[in-house]
This record gives sequence, structure tokens and C-alpha cells, in this order.
Amino acid sequence: IAGITQAPTSQILAAGRRMTLRCTQDMRHNAMYWYRQDLGLGLRLIHYSNTAGTTGKGEVPDGYSVSRANTDDFPLTLASAVPSQTSVYFCASRDTDRDTEAFFGQGTRLTVV
Amino acid sequence: KQEVTQIPAALSVPEGENLVLNCSFTDSAIYNLQWFRQDPGKGLTSLLLIQSSQREQTSGRLNASLDKSSGRSTLYIAASQPGDSATYLCAVRAGTYKYIFGTGTRLKVLA
Repeated sequence: IAGITQAPTSQILAAGRRMTLRCTQDMRHNAMYWYRQDLGLGLRLIHYSNTAGTTGKGEVPDGYSVSRANTDDFPLTLASAVPSQTSVYFCASRDTDRDTEAFFGQGTRLTVV
Repeated sequence: KQEVTQIPAALSVPEGENLVLNCSFTDSAIYNLQWFRQDPGKGLTSLLLIQSSQREQTSGRLNASLDKSSGRSTLYIAASQPGDSATYLCAVRAGTYKYIFGTGTRLKVLA
């Protein structure tokens, strides 16, 4: 089934540890996004990529990095996790050439303790 | 700065009722507006996408309208069912990559 796959589904992480959240899509969408969702704040954009090889900063990029080595994968890395990064993380993609709707993964629930 | 507001934050209705969810945005310069459904602990499922040049979109019991000039969109759900219970989010696309989300309306349809 075509779509976006995120891994892991949930994770408890000790503060200071490094963590990579994985995101893979099989729709050949050129644009991919990472959001975090926090109660009362809605979804906020962390980083985005308009095409393989390019990335950009969103609204809340500090403490996060991304890479886009190919069309399908867009991993999000927390270099040294802090408790304020406890959140639900969503990966999304869309085809900007055809101006499609955005498709979302099922999310990764991350708790930093 | 674009802001997206959804009112009410929560809504309970009896089964079978027709209902309207509201989404308002402060800047009319949008590319499109998308309505999503989110079930507890799950991701976002796209319901309807309205381009800035369109006035409405329909899918089954759902109808979404867009009035750019007044900065408003509504999601109309006909003959609501308990399975419609979820949080409904609207998002405006304000740039190639820039989506601005509302904080959602939590809907509960009572059997």
C-alpha cells in the first residue's frame, strides 16, 4: 500500500542521547516535511525538503537536523535530546509539481526523560 | 503573519445531526486549504483539498467551502455518525513548503 512509513512508532529516550527518526515514502513525492505536534500548539514545521539533495529550516528547527540523500527517505536526527523535544513527530510528503494534497505518516511518539 | 483558528475547540452532537466546523485564517494570500481528520494516537488523514481558485469540494457526506476574501472555510458533515468522532484539522498552504495548521476541533458524535 502506497504511503509514508515512520519508525519507530514510539520511543523513550534518555536526555543527551542521539536519536534518528526514520521516514520513507513510496509515492515519489518531491517534497517532504517534518512536523511536531504538541498539545495546544498544533503542528509546527521543523524542517522541509523540496527535492532530493536540498533541505530547509521550518518554524522550530533548533536541535534537529535532516538529510535528503534520495527521493524516498527523509530522516530527522536529534543530536542531543532534551526533555522539551518530547512530542509526537509527523513526517509528510506531497508532489509540488502536480500540487497534490499533503500525506502524513502515522507519527512517532517520543518521550525524552 | 498567517494565523489559523478553529472554533469551537470541542463539539458533541447526537448521531444523525448535520454539523459545520469552522476554520478562519488571517491572510487571504493562500495557495490552498486542506482539511484533515486525526484519530487519537494516529496520524492525519486528508479529507478534502480546496485550491485557492475553488469555492468548494465534496466527498461523500463531507463538503468543504472556501471564502478567501473573508478568510474562512467550513467543513460540513451530513448525517453525522459515531465513526465521525475525531479531531478535525484545517491547514492553509501559504507557500511551496509552508503549511499553517489550526489547533483542531475535537468532535464527538453520540450514539
